[in-house]
Amino acid sequence: ELKVEQNPLFLSMQEGKNYTIYCNYSTTSDRLYWYRQDPGKSLESLFVLLSNGAVKQEGRLMASLDTKARLSTLHITAAVHDLSATYFCAVVSNFGNEKLTFGTGTRLTIIP
Amino acid sequence: DAGVTQSPTHLIKTRGQQVTLRCSPKSGHDTVSWYQQALGQGPQFIFQYYEEEERQRGNFPDRFSGHQFPNYSSELNVNALLLGDSALYLCASSRTGPNYGYTFGSGTRLTVV
Repeated sequence: ELKVEQNPLFLSMQEGKNYTIYCNYSTTSDRLYWYRQDPGKSLESLFVLLSNGAVKQEGRLMASLDTKARLSTLHITAAVHDLSATYFCAVVSNFGNEKLTFGTGTRLTIIP
Repeated sequence: DAGVTQSPTHLIKTRGQQVTLRCSPKSGHDTVSWYQQALGQGPQFIFQYYEEEERQRGNFPDRFSGHQFPNYSSELNVNALLLGDSALYLCASSRTGPNYGYTFGSGTRLTVV
């Protein structure tokens, strides 16, 4: 069974600092997604990573995928308050199914 | 271009009752998946519908059932509600083929009392 783990679960950081969220998964996959969720809201798609070595950037967020290590990272550069949210990674396994298996989520709080 | 529409947005039910949640997929999408998100947790896959059939199912009891209509919209039914069914229910639509995007609706917040 595919398992997806994120760390840290909680992250409190100051504005202007850099940090990385890690997403590990347990079986072969070449499709990984990052989502943002604000309290009480739905999931907003941030990145779709489709191959080994994929790197995508949007504003202060950059995501990468290493399929050999079964690891994805979400890097935050010079954090600002409006990045405060919960971030989820989700993986689709390579075995003919289309379901997303989500990580536990990282609750990010940016402190002024 | 309308995204994924879910209704109702909030719902309060009593234990033992039955509930139906509805989802209209994004235009051009033909596959609908349902997820349950308990408070403080990541979404859990319930099932997926394509061509009006359940294509895949997660680890949820038979009390959870669904349907997809010819216009690709979908319903999630939950019978014999338990307190533990209280959660945010999310619908995600996608398109078959080499398109890897999933669009999520705003969800239905179900509270069982």
